[in-house]
Amino acid sequence: DTGVSQNPRHKITKRGQNVTFRCDPISEHNRLYWYRQTLGQGPEFLTYFQNEAQLEKSRLLSDRFSAERPKGSFSTLEIQRTEQGDSAMYLCASSPGVDAGSTIYFGEGSWLTVV
Amino acid sequence: GNSVTQMEGPVTLSEEAFLTINCTYTATGYPSLFWYVQYPGEGLQLLLKATKADDKGSNKGFEATYRKETTSFHLEKGSVQVSDSAVYFCALFTNTGNQFYFGTGTSLTVIP
Repeated sequence: DTGVSQNPRHKITKRGQNVTFRCDPISEHNRLYWYRQTLGQGPEFLTYFQNEAQLEKSRLLSDRFSAERPKGSFSTLEIQRTEQGDSAMYLCASSPGVDAGSTIYFGEGSWLTVV
Repeated sequence: GNSVTQMEGPVTLSEEAFLTINCTYTATGYPSLFWYVQYPGEGLQLLLKATKADDKGSNKGFEATYRKETTSFHLEKGSVQVSDSAVYFCALFTNTGNQFYFGTGTSLTVIP
C-alpha cells in the first residue's frame, strides 16, 4: 500500500461542466477527509467520512458539491456546474483512527482549473 | 474556536543557517499539534507531531515543542539545507472539532 491515491491529478474544464475526483485512501483507514487549497493558502476543510457515513460538511461545500464514500472505501467528490472560483487543488486525506493523536495522510491532490 | 496562526513568509535563508517558523494556536478542547511540509506540486507530508503539552516532535533535524502556556508550536532546525525548500504548514486537531485546522503556510527557500 503506497498511500492515498487521487485521480485525476489535473483537470481543466469549461465553466458550467461537471467534474468528479476520486480518492483511494490507505487500506483500513476509517476516516477520509476532503480539503481544498488555493494558491498561497493552507488547506480548508470541506467534509469528512467515518467509514461510509458523511459526518460533517463545511459551509464551503455549496449545494453544487457532493461527496460520497460508498462501502467505506474510496470516495468521490463531484462539482456540478463548475465556476471559475472552484479552481483549486482538492486534497484527500485518510486517517486510521479518531483520537487526537491520529495523523492524517494526504494524497498528492487533484488540480482543477475552470476556464 | 479553533485556529492556527503562522508567521508570514516567504523566508529566505542561506544553507546551514538556523530556522525558526513561529506557530501559535487557539483551540477548544485539548489539541494535538502537527507540522506538515509541501514540496512543489505535491500533497502535504507529515513532518512531525506532538500530542500533549511539553512533548517535543522531531524528524529530519526539525523540532517543535508543544507549549501550552504560550499556545505555541514553533518549528526549528539548526542547519537548513537546499532540499528543505518547501512550504511548511502548522496544524491542529481536536476531537471537539473532528477536523484538522491549518495555518496559511510559510514558504522557505534555502540558497546555496
